[in-house]
Amino acid sequence: QVQLIQSGPEVKRPGASVRVSCKASGYTFRFYTLTWVRQAPGQGLEYIGWISGSDGATDYAQNFQGRVTMTTDTSTGTAYMDLKSLKSDDTAVYFCARFRDFVLGRYFDYWGQGTQVTVSS
Amino acid sequence: MVMTQSPATLSVSPGERATLSCRAGQSVGRDLAWYQQKPGQAPSLLIYDASTRATGIPARFSGSGSGTEFTLTISSLRSEDFAVYYCQQYNTWPLTFGGGTKVEIK
Repeated sequence: QVQLIQSGPEVKRPGASVRVSCKASGYTFRFYTLTWVRQAPGQGLEYIGWISGSDGATDYAQNFQGRVTMTTDTSTGTAYMDLKSLKSDDTAVYFCARFRDFVLGRYFDYWGQGTQVTVSS
Repeated sequence: MVMTQSPATLSVSPGERATLSCRAGQSVGRDLAWYQQKPGQAPSLLIYDASTRATGIPARFSGSGSGTEFTLTISSLRSEDFAVYYCQQYNTWPLTFGGGTKVEIK
């Protein structure tokens, strides 16, 4: 079965960087695009961007451009999200999620369990 | 694109029908999905293409609408259905979610 397993919680100081990982299993990694979505405490869902499992192409939402970098390691089927220059309002649960189909269905059919990132001085 | 969900909170008794609304700032065709999120969990896909149930989703969940107005209906609420529901459009970049509707026990 498809699984997306994320790394554990992180606590960072303002201005620092964080890396969150998402290890995929149960499907062919290169056939799908992975995305990142975050949820601040008590808030809704915010889309961050996507990365292709086949060629590593990326696209980021405007709010995150310049601060986020997404990468993959196809040998292990793992995606990474790096977020730099952290601020207190980056405190959130970060989810990885898989696009059902990049062209015909850019909705999220499988989700990771989420990674709590806390930014605090 | 702004997605607006209403109401923010819906109080319903078990066995009753729940009707949730989602409005898009401009037409998204039928490129709309619904998700359910329970406390401490990731969202899970319920409906895509406005009205197609995802694998394993019971028939009491149904979606309708097109263009800018969409509805998620839960025909007879069960205890496990009390959760927050989000709509998401995938017609236009960036992908956007509605603010959510919390379905609570009346």
